[in-house]
Amino acid sequence: EAQVTQNPRYLITVTGKKLTVTCSQNMNHEYMSWYRQDPGLGLRQIYYSMNVEVTDKGDVPEGYKVSRKEKRNFPLILESPSPNQTSLYFCASRLSLAYYNEQFFGPGTRLTVL
Amino acid sequence: TQLLEQSPQFLSIQEGENLTVYCNSSSVFSSLQWYRQEPGEGPVLLVTVVTGGEVKKLKRLTFQFGDARKDSSLHITAAQPGDTGLYLCAGAYTGGFKTIFGAGTRLFVKA
Repeated sequence: EAQVTQNPRYLITVTGKKLTVTCSQNMNHEYMSWYRQDPGLGLRQIYYSMNVEVTDKGDVPEGYKVSRKEKRNFPLILESPSPNQTSLYFCASRLSLAYYNEQFFGPGTRLTVL
Repeated sequence: TQLLEQSPQFLSIQEGENLTVYCNSSSVFSSLQWYRQEPGEGPVLLVTVVTGGEVKKLKRLTFQFGDARKDSSLHITAAQPGDTGLYLCAGAYTGGFKTIFGAGTRLFVKA
């Protein structure tokens, strides 16, 4: 089944404890992206990747890192999480940036930073 | 910061009523998407519009892209409880590298 998977789905952690949220897609998509969703703010793009080893900042990249060493994986790294990073995170992928290529979202990771 | 404003934020209606959700920006988009999101899940694409003035229909849902490609609307005819969910619009700029989302319209359709 074609899908985007994220792990973990839920995570409670403490300030400053490094964490990684994994994202994997099995559709051979070139473009992958991370978003955070907060009430009243919609989804905001954190980072995106055009292809392996090609990443760039979205609108809210501060406090986050990403890597794209393999086409299928696009992990999100929080080196020193803070409470303001408590949010619902979504990974997404699409075949290319052509408008007719649908963007597929993962099921989300709910992160709480105490 | 580019903004995509959605209205209304919340909508509670009776089954059978019609409704319209609006998405407005001062920016010009190369394409605009509408998504529907259910609790515990990621957004799912409903439609993409790319041409100014374009109208697309998906069963009881009608999507329109403004002539200037700065705004869009979603109209639902004879809403049903199954239409309940969070509706999001998202605009992409030329090149498509970045996508910005509206804050969403939470729709609740009562039986």
